[in-house]
Amino acid sequence: EIVLTQSPGTLSLSPGERATLSCRASQSVSSSYLAWYQQKPGQAPRLLIYGASSRATGIPDRFSGSGSGTDFTLTISRLEPEDFAVYYCQPYGDSRTFGQGTEVEIK
Amino acid sequence: EVQLLESGGGLVQPGGSLRLSCVASGFSFRSYAMSWVRQAPGKGLEWVSAINAGGDDTYHADSVKGRFTISRDNSKNTLYLQMNSLRADDTALYYCTKGSSSGRPYYFDSWGQGNLVTVSS
Repeated sequence: EIVLTQSPGTLSLSPGERATLSCRASQSVSSSYLAWYQQKPGQAPRLLIYGASSRATGIPDRFSGSGSGTDFTLTISRLEPEDFAVYYCQPYGDSRTFGQGTEVEIK
Repeated sequence: EVQLLESGGGLVQPGGSLRLSCVASGFSFRSYAMSWVRQAPGKGLEWVSAINAGGDDTYHADSVKGRFTISRDNSKNTLYLQMNSLRADDTALYYCTKGSSSGRPYYFDSWGQGNLVTVSS
């Protein structure tokens, strides 16, 4: 079973700043089958990124994903007020476990 | 528009049973794999169970294996999760999720609003 480690646990930033979230896997993620989800308080998670770098339908281009193998990154180029949330990564090839999440909070 | 409407949750005593249902609309239900994902209060996401489009291939997390059973009725556009021998650590919000394809690999491209299951005496 792939173990995912997301860092940092909490990211304190101001609107307009750049956010860089890391997701590291204990073994290589096959074919870059890696997804990112966003969850706002009191809401269900929402798919942001699949295939490590493809944006889901309706996701703004300030969100981008990159990486391969064991190291993946979600970048939010300029934080909007609605982007403060918890973000989870998940491999979806041989495993379905989620990372523990990174909270992006307002500084 | 994809809609996933969960029901069947509630308060149950340890050792008891519940069956969750998820009625799907807005897409061809029989063509997509489906899963259940749960979230304990204040905690992260945990994948629970998955089923392929045809319903003949199922997977369960080790934490629920032997106690939970996922199934589907494609004629009713409905996904189920039968939960037996419930424990306090099964207390969570249970999300019904739509897979991006009929079988593995797939990501979860749509989520229901969640249904709360509380296991307590």
